[in-house]
Amino acid sequence: AQSVSQHNHHVILSEAASLELGCNYSYGGTVNLFWYVQYPGQHLQLLLKYFSGDPLVKGIKGFEAEFIKSKFSFNLRKPSVQWSDTAEYFCAVNRNSGNTPLVFGKGTRLSVIA
Amino acid sequence: GAVVSQHPSRVICKSGTSVKIECRSLDFQATTMFWYRQFPKQSLMLMATSNEGSKATYEQGVEKDKFLINHASLTLSTLTVTSAHPEDSSFYICSATRVADSPLHFGNGTRLTVT
Repeated sequence: AQSVSQHNHHVILSEAASLELGCNYSYGGTVNLFWYVQYPGQHLQLLLKYFSGDPLVKGIKGFEAEFIKSKFSFNLRKPSVQWSDTAEYFCAVNRNSGNTPLVFGKGTRLSVIA
Repeated sequence: GAVVSQHPSRVICKSGTSVKIECRSLDFQATTMFWYRQFPKQSLMLMATSNEGSKATYEQGVEKDKFLINHASLTLSTLTVTSAHPEDSSFYICSATRVADSPLHFGNGTRLTVT
């Protein structure tokens, strides 16, 4: 079975600081990888996804993630965070075959302070 | 882009009653839909996979007689929480996928509160 680990439960950063949120998954086969964001009181929104190709994926709002296959990792990065980035961030993975459900990590709460 | 509509967004019901939650794919046909549950400050946990025209597949630990899923058409799946109890209070989210795509589209979720 697949599993996703997000090691940081709560991250607090000042505005303009750089961000890196860790995500590791366990699955031996080919996977699709995702990062979702959930702003307070809102639904999940897709930040970025990786299916194949360039392992450095750029998403919306200045976020990017790098797939490192040897490390089973898909860390999320942003060079300079803003107060509006305060949200819950979820890493998710599914098998790259047919219609398979997403398995989510426990999430990382990001608080950006002025 | 694709839109998944979930209704209602909030519902409060009394213990022992049943609640139906609808998940609709508005501009595409969804042969498969997934139902998730999210407890406060926790991640999304897959409850079941809903397949159009066939029985849903439930994850371990999810009572199929309590959480009835019906996927009668390619654009609608319903989740009925039967004989609801306060511990069923949670945020329920559906995800719909096109044929051969990954499930990228989520509904806005339904916050169920059982009193």
